[in-house]
Amino acid sequence: DQQVKQNSPSLSVQEGRISILNCDYTNSMFDYFLWYKKYPAEGPTFLISISSIKDKNEDGRFTVFLNKSAKHLSLHIVPSQPGDSAVYFCAAIAIDNAGGTSYGKLTFGQGTILTVHP
Amino acid sequence: GAGVSQTPSNKVTEKGKYVELRCDPISGHTALYWYRQSLGQGPEFLIYFQGTGAADDSGLPNDRFFAVRPEGSVSTLKIQRTERGDSAVYLCASSQAGWTTDTQYFGPGTRLTVL
Repeated sequence: DQQVKQNSPSLSVQEGRISILNCDYTNSMFDYFLWYKKYPAEGPTFLISISSIKDKNEDGRFTVFLNKSAKHLSLHIVPSQPGDSAVYFCAAIAIDNAGGTSYGKLTFGQGTILTVHP
Repeated sequence: GAGVSQTPSNKVTEKGKYVELRCDPISGHTALYWYRQSLGQGPEFLIYFQGTGAADDSGLPNDRFFAVRPEGSVSTLKIQRTERGDSAVYLCASSQAGWTTDTQYFGPGTRLTVL
């Protein structure tokens, strides 16, 4: 049962344009959402996060939008650069992982391969 | 400072053998996580340590998998009687204290291939 889904396996964008990566989730207990970026042969690197009490968080060229009612989040990259080419993972953390405590147990989507062409 | 390191980077073994995968977290990080990433999938949670204790091992697939962190620093993931389906990249991550909002820093992973 895939609780976090990234339905687009790949995305190709021209340099300077906007990249929009999408993510859907099914578990209503998720209350913290993150995007990770992964280059080949490296571990995932944290990019940006958003709490369920917000609908937008911005950090430089990266903005994450959260629509709780639709259980949907998206990552916008503006402007896209060739160095942004990587696999992007959406991830979520639930309010209550075990016995009322909350910690960083990440549930990941399948990933989207972003290619930014010069 | 040094990031999370994992050894070996690659491990090839035969079906039925025993393997150990090692993770060196960032110094001072009390929280340590193991994930497994199969081809074409995102990482899947295996186990979470807070200090020396396994606070949540609900992601371990079966009793062939076991992990330890005896001194609250280095962790070892142990797999007995390996099967071809265990082939994957095993990722380790650490964070300052384990809070939801603490950034998890990942190592480069160990690619395990079971022939």
